[in-house]
Amino acid sequence: SQTIHQWPATLVQPVGSPLSLECTVEGTSNPNLYWYRQAAGRGLQLLFYSVGIGQISSEVPQNLSASRPQDRQFILSSKKLLLSDSGFYLCAWSGSDPGATNEKLFFGSGTQLSVL
Amino acid sequence: TQLLEQSPQFLSIQEGENLTVYCNSSSVFSSLQWYRQEPGEGPVLLVTVVTGGEVKKLKRLTFQFGDARKDSSLHITAAQPGDTGLYLCAGVEDSGYSTLTFGKGTMLLVSP
Repeated sequence: SQTIHQWPATLVQPVGSPLSLECTVEGTSNPNLYWYRQAAGRGLQLLFYSVGIGQISSEVPQNLSASRPQDRQFILSSKKLLLSDSGFYLCAWSGSDPGATNEKLFFGSGTQLSVL
Repeated sequence: TQLLEQSPQFLSIQEGENLTVYCNSSSVFSSLQWYRQEPGEGPVLLVTVVTGGEVKKLKRLTFQFGDARKDSSLHITAAQPGDTGLYLCAGVEDSGYSTLTFGKGTMLLVSP
């Protein structure tokens, strides 16, 4: 069966510090991978998605970047965190193409990031 | 402007009560999904509806997709404390290519 791992679960970082969140998927090949941010426990904002190694689509211009160095690994990064980067970050995978009618997302357990 | 509007934003009820939450849009969707999210966890997919007028049942949960594929509802019968969570609807727009769009969710609290 497929599983998705996301870490760390909680992170407190000072303003201006770098960020690296990692997500890995097991039990499937060539998944579509996503990074979402959820503010104040409401609504999900798509940040990045990837349909293959090295292929990154950015949905919202911001202080963050994403990379996919391996088929089942998706990394969210920042060189210098801002206060506004605080939130709940969720990684997800799908076996369907982004925007497909049958698209279904399977989420990790999230990372609560607090930038102080 | 939010593409998918969910209502109510927050609902607090007693165990055993029935409730309905709504997901509305002015856009047409090729499919709509419902997810439930518990605090500190990622959302979990409950159901996908793809046909206008479609009704799907998952135990005490009944999901309906509007005839025009612009809206959906989730009805819970005899709510239980285990139903507590954030209910999110998400849809794929019918007009060209787009990724899945989420509503802001309905926070449901069911008290014993």
